[in-house]
Amino acid sequence: QSALTQPASVSGSPGQSITITCTGTSSDVGRYNYVSWYQHRPGKAPKLIIYDVNQRPSGVSYRFSGAKSGNTASLTISGLQAEDEATYHCCSFAGANTYVVFGGGTHLTVL
Amino acid sequence: QVQLQESGPGVVKPSETLSLNCTVSGDSVIPHYWSWFRQPPGKGLELIGYIYYTGDTNYNPSLKSRVTFSVDMSKNQFSLALTSVTAADTAVYYCARESPGKVGAADYWGQGTLVTVSS
Repeated sequence: QSALTQPASVSGSPGQSITITCTGTSSDVGRYNYVSWYQHRPGKAPKLIIYDVNQRPSGVSYRFSGAKSGNTASLTISGLQAEDEATYHCCSFAGANTYVVFGGGTHLTVL
Repeated sequence: QVQLQESGPGVVKPSETLSLNCTVSGDSVIPHYWSWFRQPPGKGLELIGYIYYTGDTNYNPSLKSRVTFSVDMSKNQFSLALTSVTAADTAVYYCARESPGKVGAADYWGQGTLVTVSS
């Protein structure tokens, strides 16, 4: 059982927006502004798409945005495209001893 | 372009040691932090730990008694050794680079290698 809770799956049609939630506790998501999100396609290396809750690395599409409220972080993908179909993992810093914890991953299907 | 490639046996017998290497190209292991993660079948990602190029390490408390990391600057690679493996250690293992100056964000990953613990 993962430390952070994500829905197992979400889906949307091309052009739509979807939001994936990531619920933690006051010891991780709620305490630190160090939430990251990774896009993971089968057989490929995971790709960092959001760090520090809402920052995009260079080269990542503006269609990806992150936010946080209390113990829950979220990833929104706007203008869905077929290439967005992947599993999305959330990750939060949880202190110097544990370092980071992950969610179980959310599979996005683009209908 | 930074690339990481995991290498090692795909099958390890129970009670033996799982050993993996991660070769870095397009960057130097200096002066970065490098991490190992794993993902058991049907489960989420788990941090195994990270190592600084100086050899300083930080391990997941749940694995600390069985894991050792090392860095070989001459080969531009870093390694993982996990002792006394059981079926619960069956997973896809990933190596990654911690993004410089950021906390809890790995910006380059390997494609992963499946390690199965089986006799």
